[in-house]
Amino acid sequence: SAVISQKPSRDICQRGTSLTIQCQVDSQVTMMFWYRQQPGQSLTLIATANQGSEATYESGFVIDKFPISRPNLTFSTLTVSNMSPEDSSIYLCSVEFVNTIYFGEGSWLTVV
Amino acid sequence: KNQVEQSPQSLIILEGKNCTLQCNYTVSPFSNLRWYKQDTGRGPVSLTIMTFSENTKSNGRYTATLDADTKQSSLHITASQLSDSASYICVVSWVGSGNTGKLIFGQGTTLQVKP
Repeated sequence: SAVISQKPSRDICQRGTSLTIQCQVDSQVTMMFWYRQQPGQSLTLIATANQGSEATYESGFVIDKFPISRPNLTFSTLTVSNMSPEDSSIYLCSVEFVNTIYFGEGSWLTVV
Repeated sequence: KNQVEQSPQSLIILEGKNCTLQCNYTVSPFSNLRWYKQDTGRGPVSLTIMTFSENTKSNGRYTATLDADTKQSSLHITASQLSDSASYICVVSWVGSGNTGKLIFGQGTTLQVKP
């Protein structure tokens, strides 16, 4: 199995600020995925982070708002930039390892 | 349009009882179907994964079924426990052109098990 560690687990952020979420995996994986889960909703894919190349963003998500880094095969970061209350969500890191999709515990962000 | 619909939206049962959650999908072409359990404030945890050629998969008290012809899946929970209280999410993997298994998520069924 793959174990994913996410930081921070929770944070309260001021409007207009930016926050970077870290995702560490205990195994080397080709692709890492970032999801958003708004209150009471299911998961929405933000982007796919590939090591050594630009992240691939889904419709409705842009790099300026959600810049992603993927410096190696076990680590990625997602930054939520210029936050507004609408960005209050759980952000989840995910990987596929040996045909199973694993999720981190999520980072609960509340923007005030 | 590729969609995954789950029912019921929420469910309350008594401890020890069985229940069945439903998942209908219109995803095509389809690679596999997964069921996840998500406790409040936690990330989803995989329960089962089935390819189109499999029609049942068990994981302890959880049994998933799949009918690829009717595009329906169910998750049956036997002898429910208080710890089964969670959201259960059906996820279908879509193999579109140039796409390697994009996941389509259902809205989830929120299960509450009462003593």
